[in-house]
Amino acid sequence: GAVVSQHPSWVICKSGTSVKIECRSLDFQATTMFWYRQFPKQSLMLMATSNEGSKATYEQGVEKDKFLINHASLTLSTLTVTSAHPEDSSFYICSARDSAREGEQFFGPGTRLTVL
Amino acid sequence: QKEVEQNSGPLSVPEGAIASLNCTYSDRGSQSFFWYRQYSGKSPELIMFIYSNGDKEDGRFTAQLNKASQYVSLLIRDSQPSDSATYLCAVRRGGTASKLTFGTGTRLQVTL
Repeated sequence: GAVVSQHPSWVICKSGTSVKIECRSLDFQATTMFWYRQFPKQSLMLMATSNEGSKATYEQGVEKDKFLINHASLTLSTLTVTSAHPEDSSFYICSARDSAREGEQFFGPGTRLTVL
Repeated sequence: QKEVEQNSGPLSVPEGAIASLNCTYSDRGSQSFFWYRQYSGKSPELIMFIYSNGDKEDGRFTAQLNKASQYVSLLIRDSQPSDSATYLCAVRRGGTASKLTFGTGTRLQVTL
């Protein structure tokens, strides 16, 4: 149990295009999902907290208009990187909180984004 | 001062030995503490969490928490080559809906 999937696992896009990343909780309902970004040899940095049915809460310094988050159901949250640039190339990881199991966070496998 | 500090390593231990990983945190209001293992190119995997002062054991892993010293550690007994990974310490201030704050991780190498 407590499986979180992400799609796609990797994506390469041209500068200026938008990329959507999906995060799904497969066997539990997730009222809260978190989106992280990890650059090489660095730790995970929280970008935003996504709550089902409401607006995401963004961390300081994260552009909400650039990183659009939608959490329309209890099992799906999406992150759209709009007008991507090479500096957005990173490993994007989501986690989901299982509200029925002590509420701990389980991570998805991550999406590696490369912007050319 | 970083919120969560870890020695980046690499920490090298021989197979079968005990690996000791340390983490300090700055926020005295932190309530929950987590250890994640991350293999290169993969996402983190939860190993253990601890909420109360003292030791918590799970198989070969023991987490130790000392809130007065703002210190949490992870001991890995009988280290195996498959334990070679980066270990991330994370802390949480509030309840389960609150965010985790991660350290930069310690790279562990278990040698044959």
